Amino acid sequence: GAGVSQSPSNKVTEKGKDVELRCDPISGHTALYWYRQRLGQGLEFLIYFQGNSAPDKSGLPSDRFSAERTGESVSTLTIQRTQQEDSAVYLCASSLTDREGYTQYFGPGTRLTVL
Amino acid sequence: AQSVTQPDIHITVSEGASLELRCNYSYGATPYLFWYVQSPGQGLQLLLKYFSGDTLVQGIKGFEAEFKRSQSSFNLRKPSVHWSDAAEYFCAVGAGGGNKLTFGTGTQLKVEL
Repeated sequence: GAGVSQSPSNKVTEKGKDVELRCDPISGHTALYWYRQRLGQGLEFLIYFQGNSAPDKSGLPSDRFSAERTGESVSTLTIQRTQQEDSAVYLCASSLTDREGYTQYFGPGTRLTVL
Repeated sequence: AQSVTQPDIHITVSEGASLELRCNYSYGATPYLFWYVQSPGQGLQLLLKYFSGDTLVQGIKGFEAEFKRSQSSFNLRKPSVHWSDAAEYFCAVGAGGGNKLTFGTGTQLKVEL
């Protein structure tokens, strides 16, 4: 079975441009998460989707960040008017609620560099 | 709000030696605890998790961790480290059954041959 996939693996952009990052979760996983990992730091939660419920956007750092998910499939994270401080690895994870709780499985990430 | 502290930024051990990576958490309810490993250029791989029950949990690659509520700790251990274990290790605590993970800043493990 395929794991979580993300594209592109690397993205270099100029300050002020918009970027879109894509995540394909594991098939059948109802929950999907986005995290940001800055150099030398742990992961910061950005946003969480669970089924058809309203997403939990409490971790989005500014209104330049948004994300969408179509049903229980692909998700896109969009960063508008990118800034240099947006440079980071963006990780996506998906999970399936089991009897006990959630276990998140991560994709390889998209490394974003804003020049 | 929950938080995780990994007090050791870097650890160096010799191959074959034992390993313990420390993790302390702060969370008001029963924690859902995880250890992940990240190799260079790779995503995070789940090593093990604790949701409930036996406080000593076994994971992949010979790792284990022990949940100690009285010490708010979830330390990761391995009796004999292999060179391939060199990587960065992250401890995480999850609210609401494991959602919205809060990660520590990671411990970079170096293995000397």
